[in-house]
Amino acid sequence: DAGVTQSPTHLIKTRGQQVTLRCSPISGHKSVSWYQQVLGQGPQFIFQYYEKEERGRGNFPDRFSARQFPNYSSELNVNALLLGDSALYLCASSVDRAYEQYFGPGTRLTVT
Amino acid sequence: LAKTTQPISMDSYEGQEVNITCSHNNIATNDYITWYQQFPSQGPRFIIQGYKTKVTNEVASLFIPADRKSSTLSLPRVSLSDTAVYYCLVEDTSGTYKYIFGTGTRLKVLA
Repeated sequence: DAGVTQSPTHLIKTRGQQVTLRCSPISGHKSVSWYQQVLGQGPQFIFQYYEKEERGRGNFPDRFSARQFPNYSSELNVNALLLGDSALYLCASSVDRAYEQYFGPGTRLTVT
Repeated sequence: LAKTTQPISMDSYEGQEVNITCSHNNIATNDYITWYQQFPSQGPRFIIQGYKTKVTNEVASLFIPADRKSSTLSLPRVSLSDTAVYYCLVEDTSGTYKYIFGTGTRLKVLA
């Protein structure tokens, strides 16, 4: 069975640009969460979606947004990129909110 | 708002048991505590989850005292391949729902 997949693997953007990251959950998982992991630090929770609705939100500015599609895949959008947005962006899926999350390999975003 | 704290690093020798503790205040009675392992340039990998007393699976045990202000991940007989960063993760159901990762413990297993 395929695990969580994320695309692209790596991405380089310029300050002020916008970026869209994609995530496909494990088959049967209806919940998707997004995390930001800056080098040397633990992951920081951004959003959780379940059945296409936002169920949780971390302390991130409104430049960050996400959505979940009918097939449970998800996109994370970041507008007006800052240098500090450079990080590994992780997607995780789970059966439901309280169940264990399975993480994808991440998308490495570099903002120059 | 829940906060989590872990030791920054630990060293151990192959074959020893390793215990890593996470302090987490302010978590609700039924909020789950989960532990993950992370290797460089990879996503975290699920180890174990529980919300009270003791949970054991084929790779680890999780101990949660009655006050739930901490939890301890126990890895029996570690090997060199267990060298990684270990994170606790707690739910925060006070206010807007969040997940809170711990600060991470870098475990180095020595031969």
